[in-house]
Amino acid sequence: EDQVTQSPEALRLQEGESSSLNCSYTVSGLRGLFWYRQDPGKGPEFLFTLYSAGEEKEKERLKATLTKKESFLHITAPKPEDSATYLCAVQAETSYDKVIFGPGTSLSVIP
Amino acid sequence: DAGITQSPRHKVTETGTPVTLRCHQTENHRYMYWYRQDPGHGLRLIHYSYGVKDTDKGEVSDGYSVSRSKTEDFLLTLESATSSQTSVYFCAISPQGGASTNEKLFFGSGTQLSVL
Repeated sequence: EDQVTQSPEALRLQEGESSSLNCSYTVSGLRGLFWYRQDPGKGPEFLFTLYSAGEEKEKERLKATLTKKESFLHITAPKPEDSATYLCAVQAETSYDKVIFGPGTSLSVIP
Repeated sequence: DAGITQSPRHKVTETGTPVTLRCHQTENHRYMYWYRQDPGHGLRLIHYSYGVKDTDKGEVSDGYSVSRSKTEDFLLTLESATSSQTSVYFCAISPQGGASTNEKLFFGSGTQLSVL
C-alpha cells in the first residue's frame, strides 16, 4: 500500500535557525514526489516536484532533496513568514491519477 | 492564483440531512478532485473526475457521491451527513492528471463543514 509519513509533526524554530523536515514514503514505483505549503485557512500551494533519487530543487530559503525512501525539505535561516504547514505527497506509477498526501509538518518560526 | 471557487466556505448542518458542496473552475482543466483534511490524516482523496461525466472513487469515498455535468463544475454530495464527515473539504484541479510528469495540483480555499 502506498504510504507517506512526515516528521516531526510540529517544529518550532528561532528566526535564523536552520533545520530539516522529513518525508518518508512507500510506493510501488515513484512517479513524482511533491512538496506543498499550506497557510492557515487556505488550500495547499505547490512548491516543488522531485522525480528521481539525487535530485534537488531550491526556492529562496527552501531546498528539497530526494532519496529512494525519503525526501527532506531543508530550511535555511528561516523567517517568521516561513511559518506554515508543509505537506509531502507522492504519485505512484501504478495509480498515476491519484496523489497520496502525508499528514504534514507544522512549522513555527519565532522572531 | 488558479481560478477555483468553493462554495459555501462554511456550512453547519444536522446529522441525516443532505449536503452539496460546489467547486467551480475557470481554468478549463480536465481533472478535478475532492479531498478532505482532518488532523493527523492529512489530505485524503474522496472522488475525482477526469472529464465531464467521468468520475472515480478515491480512498475515502463511502458516504459521498459526485457529479460533473460541465467542465467547470464538480459537485460533492453527502446524501445523509454524519458527524464523522465533519471536516475541511478541498477541491483541486490539474490540467492532465497523472498523464503529465510535471503535474501539480491547484487547490481552492476549502469548505469547513460541521455536522452536528
